[in-house]
Amino acid sequence: AQSVTQLDSHVSVSEGTPVLLRCNYSSSYSPSLFWYVQHPNKGLQLLLKYTSAATLVKGINGFEAEFKKSETSFHLTKPSAHMSDAAEYFCVVTLFSGGYNKLIFGAGTRLAVHP
Amino acid sequence: NAGVTQTPKFQVLKTGQSMTLQCAQDMNHNSMYWYRQDPGMGLRLIYYSASEGTTDKGEVPNGYNVSRLNKREFSLRLESAAPSQTSVYFCASAPLAGGSTDTQYFGPGTRLTVL
Repeated sequence: AQSVTQLDSHVSVSEGTPVLLRCNYSSSYSPSLFWYVQHPNKGLQLLLKYTSAATLVKGINGFEAEFKKSETSFHLTKPSAHMSDAAEYFCVVTLFSGGYNKLIFGAGTRLAVHP
Repeated sequence: NAGVTQTPKFQVLKTGQSMTLQCAQDMNHNSMYWYRQDPGMGLRLIYYSASEGTTDKGEVPNGYNVSRLNKREFSLRLESAAPSQTSVYFCASAPLAGGSTDTQYFGPGTRLTVL
């Protein structure tokens, strides 16, 4: 069965330092994986997605993620954090079953960025 | 281009009251979804509509009903609200009727409190 584990519920970084948000997944077949971001009191916005093409995926706002099948991981990184990156981030794995694309969400990681 | 819109943004109900949450998309998408978001639990699927004229249950359908009014609109109804339905509700849409690589686009959410 598909599942997603986000290893940190909270991450705190200083502005200008690297960001690492960790995600492990479980899937019985080659998955599609997404990262979504949710700013306070806003809806979810797609950051990037992996769909079995290149294992290093580049997204918006300087974020990227690397799909590592051997480690069943899809960690999100950014070289230099900006104050506007403060938000909640969700790792998502998809399951196509019963005629629709089911999104399975991780519990989320709240990123705080300090000056 | 508004994307996915939801009304209302906020709502307070008393136990036993009913209400309908409205969702509309202007992207000519085929599939639409209703999720609820609770702290520490990511998003969970309530109902979905793979295409106009069809609806199906998701993970947590109890206490809810839906109507796919036309291709643009997908409403969620609470017939007799309970405090356990206090949550943030998100509507989403996707271009296709399914497919594991299909990106879902989310609305801004409705914050519902049931007293």
